[in-house]
Amino acid sequence: AQSVTQLGSHVSVSEGALVLLRCNYSSSVPPYLFWYVQYPNQGLQLLLKYTTGATLVKGINGFEAEFKKSETSFHLTKPSAHMSDAAEYFCAVTGREDDKIIFGKGTRLHILP
Amino acid sequence: DAGVIQSPRHEVTEMGQEVTLRCKPISGHNSLFWYRQTMMRGLELLIYFNNNVPIDDSGMPEDRFSAKMPNASFSTLKIQPSEPRDSAVYFCASSSGGGGFNQPQHFGDGTRLSIL
Repeated sequence: AQSVTQLGSHVSVSEGALVLLRCNYSSSVPPYLFWYVQYPNQGLQLLLKYTTGATLVKGINGFEAEFKKSETSFHLTKPSAHMSDAAEYFCAVTGREDDKIIFGKGTRLHILP
Repeated sequence: DAGVIQSPRHEVTEMGQEVTLRCKPISGHNSLFWYRQTMMRGLELLIYFNNNVPIDDSGMPEDRFSAKMPNASFSTLKIQPSEPRDSAVYFCASSSGGGGFNQPQHFGDGTRLSIL
């Protein structure tokens, strides 16, 4: 079985500052990990995913995430925040093909001018 | 390319009424998912289909909820009778590949349902 914990339901950063959104997972099998973004009144959009191979994954809009098996983490980062990054971000985990995907509770990112 | 299309975008109705939510997945995608999103419970998977066949409906909260996928380009989620606690945003998503959850999902913009 899988589970996901996102630390911090709200995160505020200044425009131009580093963005760090934390995600820890548990999985009894090698995980597939995802980050999705949700803008107001819209559905979720895939930012990036990790399946196998390179542990540093680059996604859209300048975001990247690093899979750290020893820490069971998949934190999302962006070097310089932009006002347009204000949204809610969801980390998700699944395992084998017949395992359901589990979404975290989400972290709302606020960008301060 | 058209994404996942959901209708209606908003629905307000009185308790006891039947509600039907509609979804058109991305052409060529063979997996379809229905989710419910609330502040309290977050994003919950209700049911998913692979090649038009329901695979797992264990997330459907009650018998009042039902879902169908009569063909590869259309699915419905029905609530009958509706109750105020059904108020939520309902999302449909689709994905390609061999089924399951390890392919990225493409979400529609959701239906915001309010039951008075």
